[in-house]
Amino acid sequence: QVRLQESGPGLVKPSQTLSLTCSVSGGAISSGAYYWSWIRQHPGKGLEWIGYIYYSGITYFNPSLKSRVTISVDTSKNQFFLKLNSVTAADTAVYFCARKHCTGGLCYGFFDYWGQGTLVTVSS
Amino acid sequence: DIQMTQSPSTLSASVGDRVTITCRASQSINNLLAWYHQKPGTAPKVLIYQTSTLESGVPSRFSGSGSGTEFTLTISSLQPDDFATYYCQQYKVYPYTFGQGTKLEMK
Repeated sequence: QVRLQESGPGLVKPSQTLSLTCSVSGGAISSGAYYWSWIRQHPGKGLEWIGYIYYSGITYFNPSLKSRVTISVDTSKNQFFLKLNSVTAADTAVYFCARKHCTGGLCYGFFDYWGQGTLVTVSS
Repeated sequence: DIQMTQSPSTLSASVGDRVTITCRASQSINNLLAWYHQKPGTAPKVLIYQTSTLESGVPSRFSGSGSGTEFTLTISSLQPDDFATYYCQQYKVYPYTFGQGTKLEMK
C-alpha cells in the first residue's frame, strides 16, 4: 500500500523559506511510473495545486507560485521536497503531498494517494 | 486558469436522501474532471474521475455525469459517512484547479 507522509517545520517566519519533505513508502519514486505533487489548502478554504515533479527531476509549477517555488527529489531516499521562499501570512495553509494517478503507462491529472497534510503557519 | 464553480456551497440533507452537486468550468474541459470528498483534518479522497468512472472501492451510490463545462455528482442514498465537503477538480489544462467546495451537512 502506498503511503505518503509530509514533514517539516510547522512555523515559519515571514520572508523566510518554507521547506517540507514528502516521504513515500510502498512504491519507488525511481520507478518512473508516477508524478508527485504538492497541493495546499488555506484554512477553511479550497485546494490549490502547487506543482509536480517526475523522478528524473522534471517539474511543472502553478504560474501563481512559480517564481517562489522549488520542488526537488531524492530517489535514493524515496523523498521529494517543497521549498517556498519569501513567505507571507498568505502562505499559511495545510500542505499535502500527493501522487498523480497513472495506469498502464497513461497518466491522468487527478490524485489517488495523499499524505495526511501538515499545517504550516507563517508568523513572526 | 480555468475557474471551477460549485453549487451549492452548503447542502443540508438527511440519511437516505438523493443529493446532487454541480460543478461548472469556465471553459470546456471535455470529461477531464474528478470528484473528491474530504472530512475535517484528513486529506481529500478521490471518488470519481474522467467525469463518471468510479475509483476502486467507492460505493456505487456515487455517480458522476456531464461534459464540456457542466458536471454533476449524485449520491443516490446518503449514508452517515457521506457527510463531508466535496470538491471537483479539472485536469484538462495546467494549472489544475479545484472548485471551492460543497459542504454536505446533516439536516
